[in-house]
Amino acid sequence: DADVTQTPRNRITKTGKRIMLECSQTKGHDRMYWYRQDPGLGLRLIYYSFDVKDINKGEISDGYSVSRQAQAKFSLSLESAIPNQTALYFCATSDEANEQFFGPGTRLTVL
Amino acid sequence: DQQVKQNSPSLSVQEGRISILNCDYTNSMFDYFLWYKKYPAEGPTFLISISSIKDKNEDGRFTVFLNKSAKHLSLHIVPSQPGDSAVYFCAAALMDSNYQLIWGAGTKLIIKP
Repeated sequence: DADVTQTPRNRITKTGKRIMLECSQTKGHDRMYWYRQDPGLGLRLIYYSFDVKDINKGEISDGYSVSRQAQAKFSLSLESAIPNQTALYFCATSDEANEQFFGPGTRLTVL
Repeated sequence: DQQVKQNSPSLSVQEGRISILNCDYTNSMFDYFLWYKKYPAEGPTFLISISSIKDKNEDGRFTVFLNKSAKHLSLHIVPSQPGDSAVYFCAAALMDSNYQLIWGAGTKLIIKP
C-alpha cells in the first residue's frame, strides 16, 4: 500500500465551485505539505503544517485553504475555483529530515 | 525570480553513457540540496542530497557535485540505464525557513537504447 495517498486522482470542475483535495499518510510523519506543479515550472509550495495545530502559508497560498484534521490527514480546499488553478497538485510528508515523500498527485482542471 | 534554475528542459543520452544534469542557484545561503526523480503519473521520489558543507556525495550510480563558488550543482548518473528516463528536479533548502524546498523546473532525461 502507498504511504501517501491522494484523492481524487483526477477532477474536472467549473469556475466558482468549491473543491477539496484530500491527502492521507501512513508514514507517521508530523510534517505535511501541499504543492502545485505547472508546466515549465517547478513545484511551488501552497501550505505546510508541522503538526496538527500548525498551519503555515507557502509561496502561493492565495485562493487556497487547508485543514489538518489529524496527524495523518491534510486537506486542501479551493473555495471558488478559477481556471488558473488548473494544475497538478501534490501532497508530501516528511519527518524532521529534509527528505519529503510525495503522493501520486491530483490533476485538477477548472473550466 | 527563480532561485533554483534548471536550464535544460530535456537531455537525451545513450544507454551506458554518463548523464549529467545541471542546476544553478542564486541564494548562497542555501544549506542543503536535493535531487528528486519523477515518473509520469507518480509523485517525485527522493534520489540523493548534499549538504552545503560538502562538495560531493555518491550513492551507487548517482553522484552529486556541489560548486559553491559557482552556485552550481550537478547530478551524474553512470552508467545510464533505460529506467533512468524520467524528469529530474533539483531543490534547495534553507535551515532558517524550516527547510522549505525551493524547486527547479525539472529536466526530462531520455535514455536511448
